[in-house]
Amino acid sequence: RKEVEQDPGPFNVPEGATVAFNCTYSNSASQSFFWYRQDCRKEPKLLMSVYSSGNEDGRFTAQLNRASQYISLLIRDSKLSDSATYLCAVIFNKFYFGSGTKLNVKP
Amino acid sequence: DTGVSQDPRHKITKRGQNVTFRCDPISEHNRLYWYRQTLGQGPEFLTYFQNEAQLEKSRLLSDRFSAERPKGSFSTLEIQRTEQGDSAMYLCASSLAQGVNEAFFGQGTRLTVV
Repeated sequence: RKEVEQDPGPFNVPEGATVAFNCTYSNSASQSFFWYRQDCRKEPKLLMSVYSSGNEDGRFTAQLNRASQYISLLIRDSKLSDSATYLCAVIFNKFYFGSGTKLNVKP
Repeated sequence: DTGVSQDPRHKITKRGQNVTFRCDPISEHNRLYWYRQTLGQGPEFLTYFQNEAQLEKSRLLSDRFSAERPKGSFSTLEIQRTEQGDSAMYLCASSLAQGVNEAFFGQGTRLTVV
């Protein structure tokens, strides 16, 4: 079993839609959690850290469910510019990344 | 620029040649990671350092791959006797080991083995 698993998608949504991604992790002792955004042929860029109490940054909301060992990312009012691959990452001694979920926002 | 920098950005090499990539992390970061990424996949862990100590190397990594971080600052990744299957994006990231420990990536080195 992979340490971090994500639905690869793609998620094809219209502009203005709300979309949610989940990511599961295997090690219950994982310590820190993150979402990264990666544009085609570019490096991953940190989108947001995920805190136990959940956190929001504009249209983006991240949540952590330790009991079920998953993190989620909710994007509200999707923009064309949100089209990218979203990677989740967890730390257990070192960083583990998921394979990414591809989002296509259509006009 | 105080971010992570990688050099070169692109490298084309013939099969069988050796290549070396360099990564300069964010200066105060004591952890440095190397990942490999191919199209449609997430970053695949290769190895990581805390200061100058190499803490872990992926079991998937053949002995043709070696990495160093001699003074706990910049790091090099060398691939000996390159194969076509080594063609990928090689990403470096750095972070703090404790506290605010987000990892930041360099722009990567895209390797093409012909």
